[in-house]
Amino acid sequence: EAQVVESGGGLVQPGRSLRLSCAASGFSFANYAMHWVRQAPGKGLEWVSSISWNSDKRGYADSVKGRFTISRDNANNSLYLQMNSLGPEDMALYYCAKDLGDGYSHEAFDIWGQGTLVTVSS
Amino acid sequence: DIVMTQSPDSLAVSLGERATINCKSSQSVLSTSNSKTYLAWYQQKPGQPPKLLIYWASIRESGAPDRFSGSGSGTDFTLTISSLQAEDVAVYYCQQYYSSSYTFGQGTRLEIK
Repeated sequence: EAQVVESGGGLVQPGRSLRLSCAASGFSFANYAMHWVRQAPGKGLEWVSSISWNSDKRGYADSVKGRFTISRDNANNSLYLQMNSLGPEDMALYYCAKDLGDGYSHEAFDIWGQGTLVTVSS
Repeated sequence: DIVMTQSPDSLAVSLGERATINCKSSQSVLSTSNSKTYLAWYQQKPGQPPKLLIYWASIRESGAPDRFSGSGSGTDFTLTISSLQAEDVAVYYCQQYYSSSYTFGQGTRLEIK
């Protein structure tokens, strides 16, 4: 069964950093683009960042550009999100999601994890 | 960025009745190069992650009940639940993936009347 499991969330002070991880299993991780999507408490879904199957294309929402960095390790079936200069606006449940299409095809998000919660507070 | 606007924000429908949710994009999400419509629908139940229901505007994801259907083209799209079941209570989101700056609608909360 294809699945992704996020980890690394927690309580962090404003201005500090946090690194999220996503462990994939049950599918050929190296063949698919991957995404991060966040959801603030009681709010809707916000796309955060995406990375192509071979890491040569990366995209970021304007709200995180210059502060967040997405990366992946295909040998270890893992996706990461390095988050710097965190602020209250970044407090959310962060989901890792797999792209439905393989290669460079960017499609819908078919596999989602349960999310990892990031709380930003002093 | 492409703005996705859903209507209504919330909806109450009786069991067994039809539920219709609309989604409008600020620009066309139809690719002229491959004639595909880059529009998906997700269902999110309380305490759960989103679940893909429909992609390419009208293709039902494996495992999604056939009472769910998607339609529309260009900039106007509809998710229809033909006969509402109790387990369909959820928030529904549309998403465009035409642009790699993916955007979601604000969500529509579906309840039982």
